[in-house]
Formats: sequence, C-alpha cells, structure tokens
Amino acid sequence: DTGVSQDPRHKITKRGQNVTFRCDPISEHNRLYWYRQTLGQGPEFLTYFQNEAQLEKSRLLSDRFSAERPKGSFSTLEIQRTEQGDSAMYLCASSSHMGLAGTYEQYFGPGTRLTVT
Amino acid sequence: SQQGEEDPQALSIQEGENATMNCSYKTSINNLQWYRQNSGRGLVHLILIRSNEREKHSGRLRVTLDTSKKSSSLLITASRAADTASYFCATDAGKSTFGDGTTLTVKP
Repeated sequence: DTGVSQDPRHKITKRGQNVTFRCDPISEHNRLYWYRQTLGQGPEFLTYFQNEAQLEKSRLLSDRFSAERPKGSFSTLEIQRTEQGDSAMYLCASSSHMGLAGTYEQYFGPGTRLTVT
Repeated sequence: SQQGEEDPQALSIQEGENATMNCSYKTSINNLQWYRQNSGRGLVHLILIRSNEREKHSGRLRVTLDTSKKSSSLLITASRAADTASYFCATDAGKSTFGDGTTLTVKP
C-alpha cells in the first residue's frame, strides 16, 4: 500500500450539479477524515469515520454534503447542488487510532480540486 | 474558528539559516502535530508531540510545547531551499484542527 489515494484529482462542474469524490485510505488505518482547504488557509475539518461509523460532522457542513464509508474501507464525499463557494481542495486523510490516547498522525492524500463554474 | 494559529504568517530566510514558527491554541489538547504542505500538494506529517512532552527532535526539526501558555514552536535548523512550504500546526481534541499556516520561503 503506497498511501492515501483520492479520485478524481480535479473536477470541474457547473453550479447545481452533484459531485462525488472517492478516498482510499491506507489499508490498516481505521480512521478516515475529510477536510476542505481554500487558498491561503489551513484545512477545515468536515467529518471523520472510525471504521464505518461517522463519529463527527462539522457544524459548518451544509446538508448538501454527505459522506459514507460503507465497509470501513474507502469513503465517498458527495456534494449536492454545488455552489461556487464549494470550490476548494478536498483532502482525505487516514490514521491508525487505537484506544483513547488521542489521534495518531494523519496521512493525507493528494486532494481533489473542485472548481464550480 | 481554528484551534491552532501559526505565527508569523510568512517567513523568508536564506539557505542555511534557522527558521522558527509558532503555534498558539485555545483549549486543552492530547497532542499537537506539525505538518508541511508544498504548493498544491497534500499535507505531510512532520512530528507529533504529546501533552506530557516538552520537547521533541526529528532530524533538523525541533518542536517545543508549553501547555501552560498553550503554545508550540517548530524550529528548522540549517534550512534548505527544499524546506520552502507552508507549515501547519494541528491540535487534537478528537480530530485535528488546523491553523492557517506559516509560509516559509528559503532562498538559495
């Protein structure tokens, strides 16, 4: 396993269309995170999973965003009715988290750059 | 608002010099992590320091943590042009919360 992969790397869509991104984490990692990053800013947390359970979702995340990790392996992030403000880099990360000792280091994928026209 | 905030926003130095960047955070943490991001790329984990640690080293990197001041610093010694990147701190309170980063430029 060579790391976290994301597909597609770039997506251009028209306002109002739905888009879906995929993330394949490092195979032995049980946690998977989605972040959004705009130019000049740090990654903004969207949601994360432990195995197939979605443990937390940002309050900033609109109802148009949904994420799944059905078998505890890969994850998808869907944005419905895209808006121009959704244009950003969407980053996925995974980590191996055991017990209650806190989050272990996250390994990031290359990101999917979304442009909404 | 972001939990971790880096300072300065931008730093420009000559190759061979040391670079120091700082991170402040607001609430109690389990650990603090530093990441590097090259332009247009994903983040790369550099170092993790736990709340019961005060200093940690990894190669040319030195990280300190002061939980009483809720702050951390990242020192890169003998900088190289390849160190040019944005550096982020992230605190863990269940998930990582990132600041907006310090953009480091190392001139050859």
